[in-house]
Amino acid sequence: DVVMTQSPLSLPVTLGQPASISCRSSQSLVYIDGNTFLNWFQQRPGQSPRRLVSLVSNRDSGVPDRFSGSGSGTNFTLKISRVEAEDVGIYYCMQGTHWPRTFGQGTKVEIK
Amino acid sequence: QVQLQQWGAGLLKPSETLSLTCAVYGGSFSGYYWSWIRQPPGKGLEWIGEINHSGSTSYNPSLKSRVTISVDTSKNQFSLKLNSVTAADTAVYYCRVDTGLDFWGQGTLVTVSS
Repeated sequence: DVVMTQSPLSLPVTLGQPASISCRSSQSLVYIDGNTFLNWFQQRPGQSPRRLVSLVSNRDSGVPDRFSGSGSGTNFTLKISRVEAEDVGIYYCMQGTHWPRTFGQGTKVEIK
Repeated sequence: QVQLQQWGAGLLKPSETLSLTCAVYGGSFSGYYWSWIRQPPGKGLEWIGEINHSGSTSYNPSLKSRVTISVDTSKNQFSLKLNSVTAADTAVYYCRVDTGLDFWGQGTLVTVSS
């Protein structure tokens, strides 16, 4: 299985400040068609997960533009340019290139 | 706008079979993979498996011997069965589809306890 490793696992952030989460995969996530199937999900307390980003950097509909994804190959990053109170929750990366699909351990974002 | 609504038994005894169904409203089955994902209390997400409209499936090897995902296109529903459950299968179970947009069910807490 492809192992997805996130860091940090806990991220206290001051409101209005930037935040960055790293996700590394144990194998390249580039598919034979050239696409890289790396997703980022947000899970607010008590809610179902919600995808923020697909294909490394494509923001989903309705996702604020303060969220951005980047990276390639085995190294990926989710950035929040200015953290707001509603951003509190756990963030997961997930690879959809290889079977079985696998998630990172999750990064808990909280307000200082 | 696709909506997923899921249901199934929430309390099982060890060795029983977990059975959940996810109904799809506002969309069709064609062209997508429909998946099940679970989350043990206080822990992270685990991919269980997926199925497409033609019934082609892929399962997590860690569960493959116990899991079956099926689809009923006439009812716009897909289902999860997990045999011989133990306490380790206690989790919130989610159904999900990626149509280019991402949709999740509301989650069902399944508790396995004697």
